[in-house]
Amino acid sequence: EAGVVQSPRYKIIEKKQPVAFWCNPISGHNTLYWYRQNLGQGPELLIRYENEEAVDDSQLPKDRFSAERLKGVDSTLKIQPAELGDSAVYLCASSFGAVDRADYEQYFGPGTRLTVT
Amino acid sequence: DAKTTQPPSMDCAEGRAANLPCNHSTISGNEYVYWYRQIHSQGPQYIIHGLKNNETNEMASLIITEDRKSSTLILPHATLRDTAVYYCIVRVASNTGKLIFGQGTTLQVKP
Repeated sequence: EAGVVQSPRYKIIEKKQPVAFWCNPISGHNTLYWYRQNLGQGPELLIRYENEEAVDDSQLPKDRFSAERLKGVDSTLKIQPAELGDSAVYLCASSFGAVDRADYEQYFGPGTRLTVT
Repeated sequence: DAKTTQPPSMDCAEGRAANLPCNHSTISGNEYVYWYRQIHSQGPQYIIHGLKNNETNEMASLIITEDRKSSTLILPHATLRDTAVYYCIVRVASNTGKLIFGQGTTLQVKP
């Protein structure tokens, strides 16, 4: 079974440019998460989807970040325009089942390493 | 969600047991203890979780103290591939599904 797929794995852009990351979750997983991980830190949640609905985007900087999951399967995270401080690893994760259960796992993709110059 | 405290780094000899401690003194009765690890350049990987009883799976064992204020993740026979950052996380069963990662413990397995 394929895991969570993310692309690209690496991206280098100049500040003020737009960038997009793509994620394909594990088949059948209805919950999808985007996390950001700064160097030396643990991942931090940006947004969580239940099917196609964004149910927790409280940590998403909405002035420049946007996300979509149109058909409740794959998802895209966009930054426009990028700033130097956006340099980080962007991780996508997915899980199956109701979020009020503790006995489920989040499966993470390998991440996209973004460098803004 | 309760906060956790982990040592920033630990070493372990290859083939020996690695015991990774975690303090969660403010844990609530309905909060579970989760362990994830992150190998360099990879996303975090689920290892194990538990509520109050000790748990074991093919990867590791989780020992939770009776008062649930601390726990220990045990890798019984560490290999070089177990070198990673290990995160201890506590969360309720009814929260939003968010995992709140701390800085974790960097485990270095040495030959």
